Amino acid sequence: EIVMTQSPATLSVSPGERATLSCRASQSVSSNLAWYQQKPGQAPRLLIYGASTRATGIPARFSGSGSGTEFTLTISSLQSEDFAVYYCQQYNNWPLFGPGTKVDIK
Amino acid sequence: QLQLQESGPGLVKPSETLSLTCTVSGGSISSSSYYWGWIRQPPGKGLEWIGSIYYSGSTYYNPSLKSRVTISVDTSKNQFSLKLSSVTAADTAVYYCALSPGGFWFDPWGQGTLVTVSS
Repeated sequence: EIVMTQSPATLSVSPGERATLSCRASQSVSSNLAWYQQKPGQAPRLLIYGASTRATGIPARFSGSGSGTEFTLTISSLQSEDFAVYYCQQYNNWPLFGPGTKVDIK
Repeated sequence: QLQLQESGPGLVKPSETLSLTCTVSGGSISSSSYYWGWIRQPPGKGLEWIGSIYYSGSTYYNPSLKSRVTISVDTSKNQFSLKLSSVTAADTAVYYCALSPGGFWFDPWGQGTLVTVSS
């Protein structure tokens, strides 16, 4: 059974700074990985699928990389609207989400 | 633009069956080779995939919930539904429906509906 982990649990960042979020799978999921953003009281929003493909309408400051077991979501210059919880999700077999990383204001 | 909306009772008694429906608008549920899924999120916790259904009716369930879950599709009403039997307080969550447009990633999502299991 695949286990997904995300680090750090909380990331404190100042607006305009770069944020780097990590996601790790306990076994290879190839490039079958997605990233979501969730704000309080809202449904998750797809940011990235296929490990590095931005979803429709997602700003270029969001980028994804990695394959196999190690993945990264980078937000190049944090905007006020980017403070949220971010989840990774593998879909190499049945869908499984990571526990999330909360990005808050430093 | 495709939109999804969950509906159903907000309160279910323990041991009973939770039933929710997702209504799809802006497109036909059977016009494309998509999967339609259910995901839940207990208050203050993370996301858990419950299961997905292909427009033709083929289903895929989370192994941890498989014995209690049934997902079905009604193409005439452009809806798909979730039934979760023998619920307990641990099933209290916001339940989301969502589209899987390619692989099993999810986009878009419905707004979610809170279901509380309590007597």
